Amino acid sequence: NAGVTQTPKFQVLKTGQSMTLQCAQDMNHNSMYWYRQDPGMGLRLIYYSASEGTTDKGEVPNGYNVSRLNKREFSLRLESAAPSQTSVYFCASRGYNSPLHFGNGTRLTVT
Amino acid sequence: TQLLEQSPQFLSIQEGENLTVYCNSSSVFSSLQWYRQEPGEGPVLLVTVVTGGEVKKLKRLTFQFGDARKDSSLHITAAQTGDTGLYLCAARGADDYKLSFGAGTTVTVRA
Repeated sequence: NAGVTQTPKFQVLKTGQSMTLQCAQDMNHNSMYWYRQDPGMGLRLIYYSASEGTTDKGEVPNGYNVSRLNKREFSLRLESAAPSQTSVYFCASRGYNSPLHFGNGTRLTVT
Repeated sequence: TQLLEQSPQFLSIQEGENLTVYCNSSSVFSSLQWYRQEPGEGPVLLVTVVTGGEVKKLKRLTFQFGDARKDSSLHITAAQTGDTGLYLCAARGADDYKLSFGAGTTVTVRA
């Protein structure tokens, strides 16, 4: 069972570069989420998609965009990376009345 | 502003000792979840508590939801090195799709 798959696992960007973090789930879950995790801050919600075709802002959406490509895939895009976006990014999915299932994260460094 | 306050932030104990971590808020929640996260991986759900005053046991782990449903605790009896990890509490606010996390307690159990 793959669960939630995130790519890439590691990435280094220079300030101003762009990139897209990919996430796919094979559990037929309706809802998908992007969180960032920073030391001492816990997990903070960036964007979420309650169902295919919808996306909504979370706590810290500035500097990010998302696309719910289909039911399986939810991507996170950084248009112009900044050092403040250095973090570990987690994608998660959730079915009806079920807990969040997380991927193993993407560690992003912006220099 | 953190919706959920966890304490302590760090805890280091000897194998065989007991420990308790706390999750507090000024808000009332319909349910609260505890997750454990190991290095390089995403968080994994341990338990969901729903009823005020509820106590749930998972082997050596005991979870309690406060009577007023504003706080929760996790107690580990006779800790083992395998209990080492980051423990996170999480709860939904007004929007059922948004799950907010506390900053976490890093537990280290020394052999």
